[in-house]
Amino acid sequence: SAVISQKPSRDICQRGTSLTIQCQVDSQVTMMFWYRQQPGQSLTLIATANQGSEATYESGFVIDKFPISRPNLTFSTLTVSNMSPEDSSIYLCSVERQGANSGNTIYFGEGSWLTVV
Amino acid sequence: RKEVEQDPGPFNVPEGATVAFNCTYSNSASQSFFWYRQDCRKEPKLLMSVYSSGNEDGRFTAQLNRASQYISLLIRDSKLSDSATYLCVVRGFKTIFGAGTRLFVKA
Repeated sequence: SAVISQKPSRDICQRGTSLTIQCQVDSQVTMMFWYRQQPGQSLTLIATANQGSEATYESGFVIDKFPISRPNLTFSTLTVSNMSPEDSSIYLCSVERQGANSGNTIYFGEGSWLTVV
Repeated sequence: RKEVEQDPGPFNVPEGATVAFNCTYSNSASQSFFWYRQDCRKEPKLLMSVYSSGNEDGRFTAQLNRASQYISLLIRDSKLSDSATYLCVVRGFKTIFGAGTRLFVKA
């Protein structure tokens, strides 16, 4: 398994402001992943954070809106910029670890519950 | 068609009941399959991987049917604590999460 700590666990923010979410992993990993889960929806991958290079963003997500840092192999941050109520969501950090028989298993941090008012 | 589709739910069952969830996927090249459990206001956690031969973990049985491109999760002797949302996860070139099926187990 993996121990992943995220903070803040929840926050209420004013529209137009920005919030940075931190993610700390208990051991070194090559890739860290940021997901969003909007109310009643499934998880959507925002981007993959690679140490030493720019993050790789999925379709519909851009660096200006969701800048990501990856300063070392155990830490990453995701910033939600210029927030609007549509950004109210759970943001989840995740890593992958080798499973016993079926390839890599995904592990998630506790999530950051963001409400934009 | 969505890449991964799950039973819409919610499923409301009494304690002790047997309940089954299905999940279909569209990409025949998908390689790995999982069931995750997500409690209210919590992160998803791995429930079990799904192997080609099928696998069982206590009251939970997962099966894969590659020909028909679906996976299933069977829960026997449901407990109140089984109430949660169950997410189907399919991995190929990309990792796709299903929208989840909500289960409510009642006393």
